[in-house]
Amino acid sequence: SAVISQKPSRDICQRGTSLTIQCQVDSQVTMMFWYRQQPGQSLTLIATANQGSEATYESGFVIDKFPISRPNLTFSTLTVSNMSPEDSSIYLCSVYGGDTQYFGPGTRLTVL
Amino acid sequence: AQKITQTQPGMFVQEKEAVTLDCTYDTSDPSYGLFWYKQPSSGEMIFLIYQGSYDQQNATEGRYSLNFQKARKSANLVISASQLGDSAMYFCAMRELNNAGNMLTFGGGTRLMVKP
Repeated sequence: SAVISQKPSRDICQRGTSLTIQCQVDSQVTMMFWYRQQPGQSLTLIATANQGSEATYESGFVIDKFPISRPNLTFSTLTVSNMSPEDSSIYLCSVYGGDTQYFGPGTRLTVL
Repeated sequence: AQKITQTQPGMFVQEKEAVTLDCTYDTSDPSYGLFWYKQPSSGEMIFLIYQGSYDQQNATEGRYSLNFQKARKSANLVISASQLGDSAMYFCAMRELNNAGNMLTFGGGTRLMVKP
């Protein structure tokens, strides 16, 4: 199994600002995934982050809005840039462990 | 087209009774995995159970079992002896091993409410 921690657990931000979310895994992993869950909705994949290469973004998500870093095999950051109230969501990072995919505890973001 | 469909937006169950949460999926990939997650109000995603497309037997984990009907493309979650703490959102998800970059695709979720 994999143990994943995220910082911050929650934040309230003003529109137009940026927030960087950190994700730390207790083991080395090739791929790390970032998901968004808007209020009352299901989870949507933002991007896949591989160490040593550019992140791969899903349709509807762009690097300028959600830049991702992956400096090593246990850590990644997701930045939500130039925030608007529509960015209010839970952001979760995720990794594979065997057949299972594990999720961090999430970052609950509210944008005013 | 939806890849994962959960047709029950909300379900009630009496404490100590069993409940089945429906999930149907759509894929042309012969190699795939099906997952169920529980999301309490805290927001964390708790892994419950996994079924691989080539697994011969239905997966079981404690009070959770997966009723896997491959020909019908359904993967229903059965929770036996419901407890008050089972009240949460439940998500079905699929990972296609040859397609889609190994990402997880989620259904819309079912909110389960356990009545005392």
